[in-house]
Amino acid sequence: GAVVSQHPSWVICKSGTSVKIECRSLDFQATTMFWYRQFPKQSLMLMATSNEGSKATYEQGVEKDKFLINHASLTLSTLTVTSAHPEDSSFYICSASLFNYGYTFGSGTRLTVV
Amino acid sequence: AQTVTQSQPEMSVQEAETVTLSCTYDTSESDYYLFWYKQPPSRQMILVIRQEAYKQQNATENRFSVNFQKAAKSFSLKISDSQLGDAAMYFCAYTDSDAGGTSYGKLTFGQGTILTVHP
Repeated sequence: GAVVSQHPSWVICKSGTSVKIECRSLDFQATTMFWYRQFPKQSLMLMATSNEGSKATYEQGVEKDKFLINHASLTLSTLTVTSAHPEDSSFYICSASLFNYGYTFGSGTRLTVV
Repeated sequence: AQTVTQSQPEMSVQEAETVTLSCTYDTSESDYYLFWYKQPPSRQMILVIRQEAYKQQNATENRFSVNFQKAAKSFSLKISDSQLGDAAMYFCAYTDSDAGGTSYGKLTFGQGTILTVHP
């Protein structure tokens, strides 16, 4: 149980275009979803926390207008990278938490901007 | 702000041997939760073990056990009888909040330790 499905697993886009990444909680309701960015062989960096029905809370230094997060329902949260540039190329991971269980993570999305 | 430190960027172990990964954290909270996560080459994050700070007993999951020293703010992971499938990047993580008893708050990760298992 407690599965988060993340799509796409990888995406290549042209510089200047936007890309949407979806995370769905399949067998539970995720009131809170976390979005991370990870560079190779480095730790996960929290970008933002999204709560269902309200605005996301962004970590310091994360551009709100570039990384749009929407959590419109208890089972779906999306991250849109707007006007993507090569420096946005990275591995993006979503996560939800369940009390007495821990955190469950999506399988990640490898974004390459060319 | 809470911080988590993993001082071993890389570790290696022979198959069937035991290895210990170190983790220290800094917090002023008395109640919190600690985790070890494994990230294999697939990059899927996998929960290895979880420890509640109010529990004095060290958590154990099969070949994985922790040494939780609350006063020293230390939370090391011991992997016994290491297997080739244990090769991965391991992250120590901390959270001190629970959102009204339904979920946890944001997680703070350590830098990670890359574990290599030699046959």
